Amino acid sequence: SAVISQKPSRDICQRGTSLTIQCQVDSQVTMMFWYRQQPGQSLTLIATANQGSEATYESGFVIDKFPISRPNLTFSTLTVSNMSPEDSSIYLCSVTQREWENIQYFGAGTRLSVL
Amino acid sequence: QKEVEQDPGPLSVPEGAIVSLNCTYSNSAFQYFMWYRQYSRKGPELLMYTYSSGNKEDGRFTAQVDKSSKYISLFIRDSQPSDSATYLCAMVIQGAQKLVFGQGTRLTINP
Repeated sequence: SAVISQKPSRDICQRGTSLTIQCQVDSQVTMMFWYRQQPGQSLTLIATANQGSEATYESGFVIDKFPISRPNLTFSTLTVSNMSPEDSSIYLCSVTQREWENIQYFGAGTRLSVL
Repeated sequence: QKEVEQDPGPLSVPEGAIVSLNCTYSNSAFQYFMWYRQYSRKGPELLMYTYSSGNKEDGRFTAQVDKSSKYISLFIRDSQPSDSATYLCAMVIQGAQKLVFGQGTRLTINP
């Protein structure tokens, strides 16, 4: 399976600031996804990062708050904008390796605390 | 009602016990079923993947799908302390990319 690296692994940020999380894959992948996992909760899909076009957001998530880029088939970023303590969570990147495949492989996640 | 229901636990069992983890779901269109294991401070790791109904075995792990009951299970035999983790079920509709996850069950195996 693909090796997925996320940076930073953790961060503590001030209210009102923004943080950009990077996801780098060691091989070209078809689909890249961004999830949020709040403490003690399951994974919630934020958006699908589309290569060369705007991301597809799930209900409850908007581009102004969570802008996403995917400039090529191995890299994506998620920005958490104008942060509040409610944004404290784990943010996870996942990928599928083949267009017909629905198995997703995950990075280690970014632990974000907002003060 | 959530699409996928999973008892969050925590579940604590002695080493060597057989562990049964379960999820129920409401959407009969789900065709692919997965179990992920998530260690503390790590991302989810795919453990088992099954299509439609039936059983699949991999070492000490057995995944079972009962579509008529909308119920999936993961069995762990001869459980080890290293199996202590959160186990997440996930499922997807054929042709779709979006995984729907259960809440996760936190499992502890006591030596």
